Amino acid sequence: QVQLVQSGAEVKKPGASVKVSCKASGYTFTSYGISWVRQAPGQGLEWMGWISAYNGNTNYAQKLQGRVTMTTDTSTSTAYMELRSLRSDDTAVYYCARDQGTNGVCDYWGQGTLVTVSS
Amino acid sequence: SSELTQDPAVSVALGQTVRITCQGDSLRSYYASWYQQKPGQAPVLVIYGKNNRPSGIPDRFSGSSSGNTASLTITGAQAEDEADYYCNSRDSSGNHVVVFGGGTKLTVL
Repeated sequence: QVQLVQSGAEVKKPGASVKVSCKASGYTFTSYGISWVRQAPGQGLEWMGWISAYNGNTNYAQKLQGRVTMTTDTSTSTAYMELRSLRSDDTAVYYCARDQGTNGVCDYWGQGTLVTVSS
Repeated sequence: SSELTQDPAVSVALGQTVRITCQGDSLRSYYASWYQQKPGQAPVLVIYGKNNRPSGIPDRFSGSSSGNTASLTITGAQAEDEADYYCNSRDSSGNHVVVFGGGTKLTVL
């Protein structure tokens, strides 16, 4: 069965960086993309970006351009999302999701990783 | 436009039919996907494409689209359908990005 297992919760200080991992299993990793979506406490879903696991092409949300980098390691079927220069409003649950293409159809989701940014 | 607009809250009587809508210019070009999210859980895809349900999603969930509006219909709402529902679609600006609606809180009375 398809599974996406994310790394554990993180607490970071403002200005620091965080890297969240997402290990996929149960399907051919390079046949799909991975989208990253975050959800601030009590708020809605926010699309952060997408990476092709086939060739590493990326699309990022404009508001995060320059602060976010998404990568994959096909040898371990793992996707990574790094966010730099963290601010308090980056506090959120971060989800990875298997994306069927480039239109945001996310059919399997990770369990979420809580990132708390606090001094 | 890069926005998708949803009503913040909708209610439905148990067993009745409810429609949740999502409006945005991008929906004239791209289909919406719909996600159900219950408290403390990851979102679950319930509808994608023209009107496709992933395996395991009950057939009381259906999707439709007209002009700039996509709709998720639940026919015969059940207590377990109480949740937040989000739409998303690709943005029509040509920048290959995706946008989510603000979400609709569905209450089953």
